[in-house]
Amino acid sequence: KQEVTQIPAALSVPEGENLVLNCSFTDSAIYNLQWFRQDPGKGLTSLLLIQSSQREQTSGRLNASLDKSSGRSTLYIAASQPGDSATYLCAVHTGGFKTIFGAGTRLFVKA
Amino acid sequence: DADVTQTPRNRITKTGKRIMLECSQTKGHDRMYWYRQDPGLGLQLIYYSFDVKDINKGEISDGYSVSRQAQAKFSLSLESAIPNQTALYFCATSDGTGATDTQYFGPGTRLTVL
Repeated sequence: KQEVTQIPAALSVPEGENLVLNCSFTDSAIYNLQWFRQDPGKGLTSLLLIQSSQREQTSGRLNASLDKSSGRSTLYIAASQPGDSATYLCAVHTGGFKTIFGAGTRLFVKA
Repeated sequence: DADVTQTPRNRITKTGKRIMLECSQTKGHDRMYWYRQDPGLGLQLIYYSFDVKDINKGEISDGYSVSRQAQAKFSLSLESAIPNQTALYFCATSDGTGATDTQYFGPGTRLTVL
């Protein structure tokens, strides 16, 4: 059974700091891995999607990596800003209807 | 306008009441999903539908039912609400394109059962 774990559960950093969020999964048989951002009252927004055959994806200050063999993904946020404060969720798509979500990392960036 | 909308956004109800949460999408996707989110837990799949005539139970379907009225509309009902159904409920859609399949979420409905 696929399980997705995110560490840490919460993180507080000063503005401008570079940071890494971690996601681990137990089964390497995946179609893709997505990182979402969740803001209160606004649902989930997809940030980056890494296909099974890819190693990383970049969008602006965000970079996500995928290492299937070790069951790990990281989301790197460069030069963090207060507007980056949100909960970040990792989700693994295992095919068909199944997408398994982690519990998320709650990020607070202090001005 | 948002691609995936949910109504109501907040709902407080009493134990034993029947309630319906509604979801509409303008993305033209065939696949729609209902999830619930509890504090400290990942999203759990309640029901999913791959088209209007295809509805399937997810991992936590007990106590819930759904209706797919059209490609764009997917409703979730709680037949007799109980307090442990208090949660944040999300509707989502996807285009089902395999390795690039992306889910698009509505803003959520916060449900409280007293």
